[in-house]
Amino acid sequence: GAVVSQHPSRVICKSGTSVKIECRSLDFQATTMFWYRQFPKQSLMLMATSNEGSKATYEQGVEKDKFLINHASLTLSTLTVTSAHPEDSSFYICSASRQGSGSNQPQHFGDGTRLSIL
Amino acid sequence: GENVEQHPSTLSVQEGDSAVIKCTYSDSASNYFPWYKQELGKGPQLIIDIRSNVGEKKDQRIAVTLNKTAKHFSLHITETQPEDSAVYFCAACYSGSARQLTFGSGTQLTVLP
Repeated sequence: GAVVSQHPSRVICKSGTSVKIECRSLDFQATTMFWYRQFPKQSLMLMATSNEGSKATYEQGVEKDKFLINHASLTLSTLTVTSAHPEDSSFYICSASRQGSGSNQPQHFGDGTRLSIL
Repeated sequence: GENVEQHPSTLSVQEGDSAVIKCTYSDSASNYFPWYKQELGKGPQLIIDIRSNVGEKKDQRIAVTLNKTAKHFSLHITETQPEDSAVYFCAACYSGSARQLTFGSGTQLTVLP
């Protein structure tokens, strides 16, 4: 159990395009989902915390108008990179924790989305 | 905020040998410490975790130890196999903080056949 599906796995598009990435928890409900960005050979950088039914909480330095997050249900969160530019090219990864008594639920990660902006 | 340091950044071992990766954390309130394995082009996969109420946890060839006093924890892999080759990340969080993980910088483990 605890499968997180992320789609698409790879996107290549032109500068100025908006790109939507979906993160789904397939076999559990997730009150909270997280979005990370990872540069080559580096660690994961938390971008935002997505809470079902409320606004996302963004980390310092992450533009909320650039990276729109929607968490409309307990199994789906989306990240939209608006008007993407080459510097937005990166590996984006989501994670989700199974809904339950706070401290006992580990984060499970999707397989990431490789975004390449030409 | 929390700061997690991880060493070494790269580690090469012969197949069958043991591998040890070490992490230190700064926030004494942190009480949950997972370890993730990331293969090329994929997302991190949880391989083992430990909570602050125990000092050691084992799952087959993988074990994790935690020293709360010294604020460090380690991953031990015994009888390494080529398929253990990957990047390993440690992380720490306080379970009351919506489980926001702070990750270490990662260790590239290479198991030589």
